[in-house]
Amino acid sequence: AQSVTQLDSQVPVFEEAPVELRCNYSSSVSVYLFWYVQYPNQGLQLLLKYLSGSTLVKGINGFEAEFNKSQTSFHLRKPSVHISDTAEYFCAVSPYPYSGGGADGLTFGKGTHLIIQP
Amino acid sequence: EAGVTQFPSHSVIEKGQTVTLRCDPISGHDNLYWYRRVMGKEIKFLLHFVKESKQDESGMPNNRFLAERTGGTYSTLKVQPAELEDSGVYFCASSQALSGSGGYTFGSGTRLTVV
Repeated sequence: AQSVTQLDSQVPVFEEAPVELRCNYSSSVSVYLFWYVQYPNQGLQLLLKYLSGSTLVKGINGFEAEFNKSQTSFHLRKPSVHISDTAEYFCAVSPYPYSGGGADGLTFGKGTHLIIQP
Repeated sequence: EAGVTQFPSHSVIEKGQTVTLRCDPISGHDNLYWYRRVMGKEIKFLLHFVKESKQDESGMPNNRFLAERTGGTYSTLKVQPAELEDSGVYFCASSQALSGSGGYTFGSGTRLTVV
């Protein structure tokens, strides 16, 4: 089984400032890692994913995340945020297929509200 | 390509009534997933279809919930009878590959309110 911890339920940040949203995970098997975003009154949209290879992953809207296996972390960063980035962000993992790691679906963290202050 | 479509977008029903949620996945996606987010909690996995077969239904809360995917296309999730604690947002997602290595695509969700 897997678990995902997003330490911050809310992150306020001023516009054009950098931001980091933290995510740690626990799993007995290898996993794929994801960040999703939910804008107000919309569904979940994939920001980026880590499957293998380079540990620095670039996503849409200027976001990037770095996979750190030793620290079991997958923190999300953006060097300069905009008002339009106001949303809830979810970190999630899913086990490798046929790894015996439980359900094939996603295990989510509780989400982090990113609040952009003008 | 069309995305994952869910309807209704909102549903308000009384305790004890029945509600059916529908999900139309992306055409050609064999894998279909249902998730639920109860207010204040994390998004939780409910079940996973591969084509018309239930691959994993370990997340289904109890036998008041019934999911079907006849013909391996759209899926329905029926709650009968609904209870107050069933309120929340129900998401559907589809993917081509197992474990979403190609990415899961989510619908906009159905917000269910049981009063």
